[in-house]
Amino acid sequence: AQTVTQSQPEMSVQEAETVTLSCTYDTSENNYYLFWYKQPPSRQMILVIRQEAYKQQNATENRFSVNFQKAAKSFSLKISDSQLGDTAMYFCAFMKHGVRNYGQNFVFGPGTRLSVLP
Amino acid sequence: SQTIHQWPATLVQPVGSPLSLECTVEGTSNPNLYWYRQAAGRGLQLLFYSVGIGQISSEVPQNLSASRPQDRQFILSSKKLLLSDSGFYLCAWSVQGIYGYTFGSGTRLTVV
Repeated sequence: AQTVTQSQPEMSVQEAETVTLSCTYDTSENNYYLFWYKQPPSRQMILVIRQEAYKQQNATENRFSVNFQKAAKSFSLKISDSQLGDTAMYFCAFMKHGVRNYGQNFVFGPGTRLSVLP
Repeated sequence: SQTIHQWPATLVQPVGSPLSLECTVEGTSNPNLYWYRQAAGRGLQLLFYSVGIGQISSEVPQNLSASRPQDRQFILSSKKLLLSDSGFYLCAWSVQGIYGYTFGSGTRLTVV
C-alpha cells in the first residue's frame, strides 16, 4: 500500500518570504499522480497543484511550485512571496494510475499547518 | 462547469439522534463520489466511496452508512449518532481521478 509522509506538522513564514513544505511517499508504482491541497480556516479543500509522475518538468502555478524527485520519492511544495491568505493546512496526496481511480488509490498525508506571519 | 453542493454547513445533534448529510454534483455524469471525515486538527479519513448508483464501498466499519440513490447524489446517514461521530465531513467527486478530487465545502457536525 502507498503511504504519504509530511514530516513538518507545523511551519511558519514571514509575509513575502519563501517557504518549502516537504512530502515523501512510498510506492512501487511507476505511473502515478501527486497533488497538493490547501485547507484554509474555512475548511474547504482546494487543489493547489498537480504533478504527473511521468513528467520530469516540475509543475508551477503562479507562486506555487513543486520539486519532484521521483527517484527519491519526494514532492515538496514551494510557496514564493507568501501572503497572509496562504495560511492553511496543506495536504500532500498520491494517486495511483488506473482505469478508475477511487478508494484506496488516493492517499493523503497527515498535513502541515502553515502560518504566514505579518 | 462542475460544482458540488454539500449541506448543511453546520449541524449540532444530540447523541442517539439520526443523521442525514447530502451531497450533490452538477455538470458531470457518472462521477466517483466520496465521503471523508476529518477530526479536529487531523488528516482525512475515507469513509465511503461509490462508483455508481447503488454501489457503495465502506473503508471503515462504524456507525455510519452511505447511499447513492441517484447518479449525482450521495448521502451519509446514521440511525443513532455517537459522540465520536463529531467531526468535519467532506464530500468529494472525481471523474478521471488523475485530475484529483473536487471537494464540497464540508459539514461541521457536533454531537452533544
